[in-house]
Amino acid sequence: KAGVTQTPRYLIKTRGQQVTLSCSPISGHRSVSWYQQTPGQGLQFLFEYFSETQRNKGNFPGRFSGRQFSNSRSEMNVSTLELGDSALYLCASSSGQAEKLFFGSGTQLSVL
Amino acid sequence: DQQVKQNSPSLSVQEGRISILNCDYTNSMFDYFLWYKKYPAEGPTFLISISSIKDKNEDGRFTVFLNKSAKHLSLHIVPSQPGDSAVYFCAAKRNSGNTPLVFGKGTRLSVIA
Repeated sequence: KAGVTQTPRYLIKTRGQQVTLSCSPISGHRSVSWYQQTPGQGLQFLFEYFSETQRNKGNFPGRFSGRQFSNSRSEMNVSTLELGDSALYLCASSSGQAEKLFFGSGTQLSVL
Repeated sequence: DQQVKQNSPSLSVQEGRISILNCDYTNSMFDYFLWYKKYPAEGPTFLISISSIKDKNEDGRFTVFLNKSAKHLSLHIVPSQPGDSAVYFCAAKRNSGNTPLVFGKGTRLSVIA
């Protein structure tokens, strides 16, 4: 079974731009979660989608949004980028019932 | 408000010795706990988990201990190997209600040959 695939691996943007990150979950997994990792801050939860519906949301501003498609693939969008948005964005999938998350390798976003 | 805390940012251990990574949590509703390992440029990978109905779970060289009264868990790695050098994240969740995993900030383990 293929793992969780995230594209692109690296992105460089400038302040004020917007960005879209993509995630393809493990086949059969209906839940996709997004996390932000910054140095010294661990993994901070952004949101979770299950069957195209947002099921949980973390404490991030409205500039961060996401969606999930009928094939369970998910996208995350960040608008009006700020320097502090520079981070590793991780996508994880699960069957929705399982406790474990399976992570992709992440997208490293740098905002200049 | 950090619900899962890993107070040691880093830990160095000699090869062959025991590594002990600690984690504290504040939310008494958490009833399922996991450890993840992360290498640079890779996503975290699941290592071991424990339910609140147990106080110990073992998988090969890895053992997780849970002390519910102290809201504390620890990961023991015996014997430690150079390939264990990575960042270890503790995570917790409530198993009911489809709540998200909450992660600590991680502990960087260096195993010295």
